[in-house]
Amino acid sequence: EDKVVQSPLSLVVHEGDTVTLNCSYEVTNFRSLLWYKQEKKAPTFLFMLTSSGIEKKSGRLSSILDKKELFSILNITATQTGDSAIYLCAVYTGTASKLTFGTGTRLQVTL
Amino acid sequence: NAGVTQTPKFRVLKTGQSMTLLCAQDMNHEYMYWYRQDPGMGLRLIHYSVGEGTTAKGEVPDGYNVSRLKKQNFLLGLESAAPSQTSVYFCASSPGGAAQETQYFGPGTRLLVL
Repeated sequence: EDKVVQSPLSLVVHEGDTVTLNCSYEVTNFRSLLWYKQEKKAPTFLFMLTSSGIEKKSGRLSSILDKKELFSILNITATQTGDSAIYLCAVYTGTASKLTFGTGTRLQVTL
Repeated sequence: NAGVTQTPKFRVLKTGQSMTLLCAQDMNHEYMYWYRQDPGMGLRLIHYSVGEGTTAKGEVPDGYNVSRLKKQNFLLGLESAAPSQTSVYFCASSPGGAAQETQYFGPGTRLLVL
């Protein structure tokens, strides 16, 4: 059975802090790993990673994949209150054309 | 371009009642998905479709049926609702082919079964 585990489950930081969110996986027929941000409603796409060691970056957010150790991290630098959300990690397996999601990390950024 | 829309936004049902949730996308996407999201469980795939007229079971299909009669619509049916089906339901779509991984989500339907 495919499994995606995220840690921590939740964390509270002060504005300006840097945070690292973790995602590990055990799946068959790995194809890609995706990060989503979920505020009040629909998850919105952040990154898709397919190759080890290549950092994807968007503003203050960055992510990297390690296919040997089967994990990914999402970094957020200089956090802002608008970064408060649930961050979801998902792995796409080509076998069944579907995403397997982790339970998410709930991030709260306080003033 | 509305993206992915879901109807209704919120619904209360009594145990044993039936209902249909409608998902529509205007991006000409091949693939469509239905998920449920429960506290501490993440998003779990109920059913999905890789093209018009096709459907397949996901992780948690029991108690649900789906239909994809038109490419742009994906319907999720509950024939006899149970309290365990209280959840937030999300529909998603993706282009298929080389871009099939990137799924675009609708705003969700909150369902309460009493």
